[in-house]
Amino acid sequence: DQQVKQNSPSLSVQEGRISILNCDYTNSMFDYFLWYKKYPAEGPTFLISISSIKDKNEDGRFTVFLNKSAKHLSLHIVPSQPGDSAVYFCAASGGTGTASKLTFGTGTRLQVTL
Amino acid sequence: DAGITQSPRYKITETGRQVTLMCHQTWSHSYMFWYRQDLGHGLRLIYYSAAADITDKGEVPDGYVVSRSKTENFPLTLESATRSQTSVYFCASNPGQGANYGYTFGSGTRLTVV
Repeated sequence: DQQVKQNSPSLSVQEGRISILNCDYTNSMFDYFLWYKKYPAEGPTFLISISSIKDKNEDGRFTVFLNKSAKHLSLHIVPSQPGDSAVYFCAASGGTGTASKLTFGTGTRLQVTL
Repeated sequence: DAGITQSPRYKITETGRQVTLMCHQTWSHSYMFWYRQDLGHGLRLIYYSAAADITDKGEVPDGYVVSRSKTENFPLTLESATRSQTSVYFCASNPGQGANYGYTFGSGTRLTVV
């Protein structure tokens, strides 16, 4: 039972354009969401997060949007750069105040082309 | 060097052998985690630990054993390796103030069971 779903295994975007990566979740108890970026032969690295009390969080070229009613979040990268080519994992946590276990999606491979 | 290190980076073992993957962190983070990454499944939690001598099962614990006698070390042992345990294994740590801080992952161990 996949509680966090990334339905697009891959995405190709031209350099300079917007990349939109999507994530859906089923567990209503999730209240904190994170995006991780992973390059080949490296561990995932934390990118950006959002609490369920917000609907948007921005950090430079990266913005995460949360739609709680739809149980959907998305990561926008503007403008996309070749160095953004990586696998992106969406993750969700069941509660703050503790080091809650993270539940990850299956990942979306983003390729930014020249 | 400060950080989280995993060893070995690559390991080939035979079915039925016992193998131990090592994880060491230098921050004195309370929480440590073991994930495995498989195509189509993303990252799945095997075991986690809230502190020395406190461990708990994750989503896919069968066939694995963990221990945490010291805060900085969290070894993962496959008692009798099977081909289905061929995977990339990631160790992660968290300071314990909640997932808000994100996890820091090691570089991974690629394990092949033949």
